[in-house]
Amino acid sequence: DGGITQSPKYLFRKEGQNVTLSCEQNLNHDAMYWYRQDPGQGLRLIYYSQIVNDFQKGDIAEGYSVSREKKESFPLTVTSAQKNPTAFYLCASSIAYTGELFFGEGSRLTVL
Amino acid sequence: DAKTTQPNSMESNEEEPVHLPCNHSTISGTDYIHWYRQLPSQGPEYVIHGLTSNVNNRMASLAIAEDRKSSTLILHRATLRDAAVYYCILRDYSGAGSYQLTFGKGTKLSVIP
Repeated sequence: DGGITQSPKYLFRKEGQNVTLSCEQNLNHDAMYWYRQDPGQGLRLIYYSQIVNDFQKGDIAEGYSVSREKKESFPLTVTSAQKNPTAFYLCASSIAYTGELFFGEGSRLTVL
Repeated sequence: DAKTTQPNSMESNEEEPVHLPCNHSTISGTDYIHWYRQLPSQGPEYVIHGLTSNVNNRMASLAIAEDRKSSTLILHRATLRDAAVYYCILRDYSGAGSYQLTFGKGTKLSVIP
């Protein structure tokens, strides 16, 4: 079945450690996105990529990094520079800037 | 992106229609109105979208005001599975700015059995 797979679903990290969240899609979509969601809040855009080997910062990119080496993959690294990384992270993709967004099931990161 | 305004929460009785409002007074001519919903601990899912005319699909209907400054998502018969946060967003189809989508807090719909 086509869709977006995020892993891991739950992740615990010690302060000062970098962690990478995986996002893979088999929908053949050009655009991919990373969002952060805090409890009771909406979704805030971290990074997005319109095409392979290209990505742009969203509203809250500080402390995060991404890569887009393959069309189907858009991993997010939460670095130790991110002051408050505990959150629910959502990956999405779309055909282009007009297509509906398809979301993964999310990764919940907790910093101990 | 132009902003949208939604009520924080709404309640509905099961099997009754639900009308979820959204105001977007600064909408531009190239903005499409999109609705998504998010069930607890899941990613959002697409519900419906439209430009000027009312739209229907198997999940819901979208009623768009003539001046396009507001819209209403209509669930014809609410079920317990419709309890979710509903997001109304504007998507600019004119260019690359459409990638920069941020979802506000949305409307939390509670369905009473």
